[in-house]
Amino acid sequence: AQKVTQAQTEISVVEKEDVTLDCVYETRDTTYYLFWYKQPPSGELVFLIRRNSFDEQNEISGRYSWNFQKSTSSFNFTITASQVVDSAVYFCARYNAGNMLTFGGGTRLMVKP
Amino acid sequence: EAQVTQNPRYLITVTGKKLTVTCSQNMNHEYMSWYRQDPGLGLRQIYYSMNVEVTDKGDVPEGYKVSRKEKRNFPLILESPSPNQTSLYFCASSSMGGGRETQYFGPGTRLLVL
Repeated sequence: AQKVTQAQTEISVVEKEDVTLDCVYETRDTTYYLFWYKQPPSGELVFLIRRNSFDEQNEISGRYSWNFQKSTSSFNFTITASQVVDSAVYFCARYNAGNMLTFGGGTRLMVKP
Repeated sequence: EAQVTQNPRYLITVTGKKLTVTCSQNMNHEYMSWYRQDPGLGLRQIYYSMNVEVTDKGDVPEGYKVSRKEKRNFPLILESPSPNQTSLYFCASSSMGGGRETQYFGPGTRLLVL
């Protein structure tokens, strides 16, 4: 099976620190889509970003930024100046042929005041 | 308000007692799917449906059934639940499959099988 790997199971930072969450994926397809979702303590899944395999431009949205490196099959997520409200589990996921969405195991981010 | 709803949100049952978790979306989406979330494993796809009467297996379909008789509804059926099906379940929908459109997730159903 083509996996999505989030090697960091837990990260703890102090408020205002920058933090990067890593995501590495496997795929045999040339066309695929990558996602990040946030799961706060309340449990719902919040969509953050979708990126297709043909668009390697990095993206910034406020304090959030994403670095897509096709050469290393990575799609890393950086939070700048972290805040306590960023504390959550973050999931990286990949969609490819077969209409299946494959998730990584998630990274639990704890931001301490 | 555009949303995906699931019922019940919490369920405690016993081994072997058939149960159904309902999922409904009001966005006229064609694609719907079910996932289960387990610690350390992320979310794994159970079944998905591309349209009415069209369903297919995901990564972990064993012990589950689905049906898609109407576009808006995609119930998940556990004919004979077992303790290893204790998990957090999410339903999701999108206007298209294949990742071309974002999937929107329901609030989750927490199931405990004793």
